Amino acid sequence: DQQVKQNSPSLSVQEGRISILNCDYTNSMFDYFLWYKKYPAEGPTFLISISSIKDKNEDGRFTVFLNKSAKHLSLHIVPSQPGDSAVYFCAVGAGSYQLTFGKGTKLSVIP
Amino acid sequence: DVKVTQSSRYLVKRTGEKVFLECVQDMDHENMFWYRQDPGLGLRLIYFSYDVKMKEKGDIPEGYSVSREKKERFSLILESASTNQTSMYLCASSKQGGVADTQYFGPGTRLTVL
Repeated sequence: DQQVKQNSPSLSVQEGRISILNCDYTNSMFDYFLWYKKYPAEGPTFLISISSIKDKNEDGRFTVFLNKSAKHLSLHIVPSQPGDSAVYFCAVGAGSYQLTFGKGTKLSVIP
Repeated sequence: DVKVTQSSRYLVKRTGEKVFLECVQDMDHENMFWYRQDPGLGLRLIYFSYDVKMKEKGDIPEGYSVSREKKERFSLILESASTNQTSMYLCASSKQGGVADTQYFGPGTRLTVL
């Protein structure tokens, strides 16, 4: 039973436009949410996070939105750049050491 | 910069062999993790350790064991490798406990079991 769902395995976006990656979770006990980015042949790297006391966190071109009532978070990348092409993993946790990751969404930014 | 290194980038083993995957971090982090990544399944936690000689099972520990004799080193052991353990294995570390603490990943070991 998937606790974290990234329903889009892939997404293609034109350079300069907005990329929106989505993630849904099932357990309302989760209180911390993260996005990791992974390039081929490299390990994932932390991108941005948000705690459950907020509904938005922004870092440069990257913004994460959290809708607790809908158990949904999204990552917005504006403007998208070819270097953003990677697999993006959503991860959630609830105070313990363990994060639960989604299956990932492969973003392709077309020049 | 945090550096997490894994002993091999690619590894090919035979069914039934005992396999050791080594991970070393150089930032004095307390916590270390082993994940496997499979197409369509994302990252799944195998084991983690929050202190030397301590270990906790993750979501998919069956067929694996771990060892943490020194703070900087965390080993994943496949006691008797099977073809369904063919996967990308990722090691990670974090400074302290808690999900808010960033995990730093190594480059991964792609293991093929024939």
